[in-house]
Amino acid sequence: DVKVTQSSRYLVKRTGEKVFLECVQDMDHENMFWYRQDPGLGLRLIYFSYDVKMKEKGDIPEGYSVSREKKERFSLILESASTNQTSMYLCASIREGETQYFGPGTRLLVL
Amino acid sequence: QQQVKQSPQSLIVQKGGISIINCAYENTAFDYFPWYQQFPGKGPALLIAIRPDVSEKKEGRFTISFNKSAKQFSLHIMDSQPGDSATYFCAASGTDSWGKFQFGAGTQVVVTP
Repeated sequence: DVKVTQSSRYLVKRTGEKVFLECVQDMDHENMFWYRQDPGLGLRLIYFSYDVKMKEKGDIPEGYSVSREKKERFSLILESASTNQTSMYLCASIREGETQYFGPGTRLLVL
Repeated sequence: QQQVKQSPQSLIVQKGGISIINCAYENTAFDYFPWYQQFPGKGPALLIAIRPDVSEKKEGRFTISFNKSAKQFSLHIMDSQPGDSATYFCAASGTDSWGKFQFGAGTQVVVTP
């Protein structure tokens, strides 16, 4: 059974804190993605990675960075959290030509 | 702006009824159109998907209808059940950007007993 796991289900952070969200997949997928999900806006792509140490900006990369040191792990970093980054964050992975699998999400609240 | 427009935002249907969700896109390079189902507290999961070489695809009670000339596609849930109550997202991607999906805003479907 395929699995994408995210390090936390819920996080509460303060404005200005550095925040790390971790995602791990066990399917040997080349491509991994970070989305944020907000009501009425659907899922918006923040960053994606098609290989180790490779990354590309998605539609809304401002205020975020990513790291992919190992194939199975993709981290999203909020360098200085702000209240407008309060959201649900979803990680996904995919092998080219196949189905995209999502993790359960991390609900982040920035106070 | 969103490249995939989804409607309605929410939908209430009686058990046994038909739920219909519509999506429209602009980018003619899109060639893969999945629908995702998301339950509260869970990530989205692929429900059904279609490519533009067919006009309809059916899996159980779920059917995608695709109109290439109108750049529209829709999800029909036949014989809706309370267990179908979830948020549904349409999405689109192209072979030149595999995995980079553009998502609709989502439709919350509630099936009443």
